[in-house]
Amino acid sequence: KAGVTQTPRYLIKTRGQQVTLSCSPISGHRSVSWYQQTPGQGLQFLFEYFSETQRNKGNFPGRFSGRQFSNSRSEMNVSTLELGDSALYLCASSLFAGGHDEQFFGPGTRLTVL
Amino acid sequence: DQQVKQNSPSLSVQEGRISILNCDYTNSMFDYFLWYKKYPAEGPTFLISISSIKDKNEDGRFTVFLNKSAKHLSLHIVPSQPGDSAVYFCAASAPQAYNTDKLIFGTGTRLQVFP
Repeated sequence: KAGVTQTPRYLIKTRGQQVTLSCSPISGHRSVSWYQQTPGQGLQFLFEYFSETQRNKGNFPGRFSGRQFSNSRSEMNVSTLELGDSALYLCASSLFAGGHDEQFFGPGTRLTVL
Repeated sequence: DQQVKQNSPSLSVQEGRISILNCDYTNSMFDYFLWYKKYPAEGPTFLISISSIKDKNEDGRFTVFLNKSAKHLSLHIVPSQPGDSAVYFCAASAPQAYNTDKLIFGTGTRLQVFP
């Protein structure tokens, strides 16, 4: 069974631009969560989608948004990029929603904002 | 407000010895705890978990201990192997009614196992 895939793996943008990251979950998984990893901050939860609906949202500004498609693939979008948005963005999928189901992570997208 | 804390950013252990990684939490509603391991350029992978109804869970060389009164958990790796060198994240979750975040992660501890 293929794992979680994320595209692109690396991205360089400049301040003010916007970016879209993509995540394909493990086949059959309906829950997709997004996390931001920065040095010293660990993994910060962005949002979770289940069956095309956003279930939970972390404490991030409205510039961060996402969506999930009927095939469970998910995208996240960051508008008006700031230098502090430089991070590793990780996507994780699980069969069910909620925090007790094992999550499988993708390799991440490394975003650098110049 | 960091609800899950890993106060040791790094740990260095000799091969064959025990590695002990620590994690503290502040939210008494957390009822499920997980450890993830992360290698460079890869996403985190699940290692072991423990429910709050238990105080110990063991899986091969990995054992997680939970002390609810102290709001503390630890991961023991015995014996440590060079392939265990990675960043270890502690994570916690609460029942849905109390939890707006799916999993709350600590900042990670980088473990280095040397020969």
